[in-house]
Amino acid sequence: KAGVTQTPRYLIKTRGQQVTLSCSPISGHRSVSWYQQTPGQGLQFLFEYFSETQRNKGNFPGRFSGRQFSNSRSEMNVSTLELGDSALYLCASSLDPVAPQHFGDGTRLSIL
Amino acid sequence: GQQVMQIPQYQHVQEGEDFTTYCNSSTTLSNIQWYKQRPGGHPVFLIQLVKSGEVKKQKRLTFQFGEAKKNSSLHITATQTTDVGTYFCADKYGNKLVFGAGTILRVKS
Repeated sequence: KAGVTQTPRYLIKTRGQQVTLSCSPISGHRSVSWYQQTPGQGLQFLFEYFSETQRNKGNFPGRFSGRQFSNSRSEMNVSTLELGDSALYLCASSLDPVAPQHFGDGTRLSIL
Repeated sequence: GQQVMQIPQYQHVQEGEDFTTYCNSSTTLSNIQWYKQRPGGHPVFLIQLVKSGEVKKQKRLTFQFGEAKKNSSLHITATQTTDVGTYFCADKYGNKLVFGAGTILRVKS
C-alpha cells in the first residue's frame, strides 16, 4: 500500500509570495490533516478535512487555507508569506481525525 | 484548550541505559497515541492506549496509561543508537489530536 505522498519536498519562496502544497493520502483514507512543525513549537495543528469538508481548524491566521478534492487529495495554500512561515509542513491521513495518523515526508518551506 | 505536556524536553543517555518520557495533562486524557520521529524523518505511529492502567509492550518499549488517565509514559529498556529521535504523545481533543512538544532522545555509543 502506498504511503502518504507530499509534493514538493522542498520549496524556497520570498516574503509576500504565496505557495500551494499537495498531499495524496493513503488509499481509502478520507481524513487528511495538516501540521506545521518548527524546532521551537513542535507539531501545530493547521486543519483537517474529511470528505471535502473542513471539520477542524487550528489557531492559524486566515492566510493559511486548504481544500480537499473528491479523491481525498488535499492542498494547502499559504498567501502573503512571512519569514515565520518557514517550517516543515506535514500532512497526515487516517480513517478518521483521531485514528492513528500516517504522515507524509513533509514539505520543507523556506522563506527568504 | 487542552494541553498535553511532555517531560523531559531532551535527554541524552549512554547506549544501554534506560529512558523514560512522560506525557501529562491536567484534564483526563482520552486516547493516548505515541509517535516516533527520526532525525530528518516524519512522525511514525507506535501505539495507542485507551484503557485506564493499560500497559503495552513492543520489544524493548513499554507503554503505560495511568490509572487516573492523567498521564502516560514510554519506557525504553537498554537504549540503542537506533532509538534516537523525538518521541511525541498525542491525545484526542474533540475531533482532533493534540500533540505534546516531544522528547528528544540522543544515545551516545
